[in-house]
Amino acid sequence: DTEVTQTPKHLVMGMTNKKSLKCEQHMGHRAMYWYKQKAKKPPELMFVYSYEKLSINESVPSRFSPECPNSSLLNLHLHALQPEDSALYLCASSQVGLAGGRETQYFGPGTRLLVL
Amino acid sequence: KQEVTQIPAALSVPEGENLVLNCSFTDSAIYNLQWFRQDPGKGLTSLLLIQSSQREQTSGRLNASLDKSSGRSTLYIAASQPGDSATYLCAVRPLGSGNTGKLIFGQGTTLQVKP
Repeated sequence: DTEVTQTPKHLVMGMTNKKSLKCEQHMGHRAMYWYKQKAKKPPELMFVYSYEKLSINESVPSRFSPECPNSSLLNLHLHALQPEDSALYLCASSQVGLAGGRETQYFGPGTRLLVL
Repeated sequence: KQEVTQIPAALSVPEGENLVLNCSFTDSAIYNLQWFRQDPGKGLTSLLLIQSSQREQTSGRLNASLDKSSGRSTLYIAASQPGDSATYLCAVRPLGSGNTGKLIFGQGTTLQVKP
């Protein structure tokens, strides 16, 4: 099973709302990632968790708050977002520390977020 | 700072043609290079991963090569089909990324294969 699942598929929220995006994998991967992707652009890395600890925060505004409750789950809590935060949010996972750099990242289908 | 460039940005070919997508990167200090496919509004699907010690990888009609010293990779698609229409992204994992798995993506090449 090489599947990463994300819920919800679509989300519309107002600027005062609080919502959460969820990501799950059962491949035993110990690294999980959040990316943001705007239309016709490549994914931009937001956060990396390695062994359930935050290892990269790419200077993301505090209105995005990641959480890794266990090795299979990754959440992204959203609060007071701006219209420019509308994008496709992708989750990915991979193994960690394979010899020779053989870790492939597996991506979920994404959550399409619209902020009004 | 590592930069990844993909040329062309868009490509349209008739069905059955063999084609090559190009990817270049500025710093040869990488763990690996990966090619992904993305259909509109969907997530990324990993196609091929080439470790820094390898020269090429093959999967079905796809062949990816890596020339680390010149900072180039190509993705060769044989006998293209309309179902190959998608955006193809290459990404490098810099040596400085440690265990974080951080990838640097190119802008992608959008391929259209016409029946």
